[in-house]
Amino acid sequence: EAGVAQSPRYKIIEKRQSVAFWCNPISGHATLYWYQQILGQGPKLLIQFQNNGVVDDSQLPKDRFSAERLKGVDSTLKIQPAKLEDSAVYLCASSLGQSYNSPLHFGNGTRLTVT
Amino acid sequence: AQSVSQHNHHVILSEAASLELGCNYSYGGTVNLFWYVQYPGQHLQLLLKYFSGDPLVKGIKGFEAEFIKSKFSFNLRKPSVQWSDTAEYFCAVNARRSGGYNKLIFGAGTRLAVHP
Repeated sequence: EAGVAQSPRYKIIEKRQSVAFWCNPISGHATLYWYQQILGQGPKLLIQFQNNGVVDDSQLPKDRFSAERLKGVDSTLKIQPAKLEDSAVYLCASSLGQSYNSPLHFGNGTRLTVT
Repeated sequence: AQSVSQHNHHVILSEAASLELGCNYSYGGTVNLFWYVQYPGQHLQLLLKYFSGDPLVKGIKGFEAEFIKSKFSFNLRKPSVQWSDTAEYFCAVNARRSGGYNKLIFGAGTRLAVHP
């Protein structure tokens, strides 16, 4: 099966600029996740979708981050305006269901550098 | 709050040495436990998982992990490492929540370097 697709692989922007990341999950996977992985830390969940509805966005900095999953398939994550501390790898993952037995499949991530 | 602790941030071993990476979690309820691996330049991949039953689980590439409920631990082991095991290893915990939804919490990771 095709894996989780993410683009771009790398992005360099200046602080206060905006940026968007795109994710295409594995076909048929209803649950989609965005994780932020800062260097030296484990991935941290930003937002979780079940189809096109948000299940958990408790750790999403909503003053600057937004995410959507129109039609319950692809998703975009946006940062506006970016700060230096947003430099990280942004990982998208998907799972077949939202039950806690459903393993996550990860994409390669987008490495964001904010200068 | 639920958390995952990995004891070693960096481990350096010679080939054929034995490996044990520590992982402890804090959560009083039912959990699923995972080890993910990230090889250089690749995406996170599932190495092994524990849902229930035998607390000693075997994964890919000769890895195994033991769930010790009384110690809230899920340590990863391999009797003899290879150069190709050089990677970053993440322990993760998925706690059963009301409504049944997944929330996977990761540890900070352990970077393993194996020298030939």
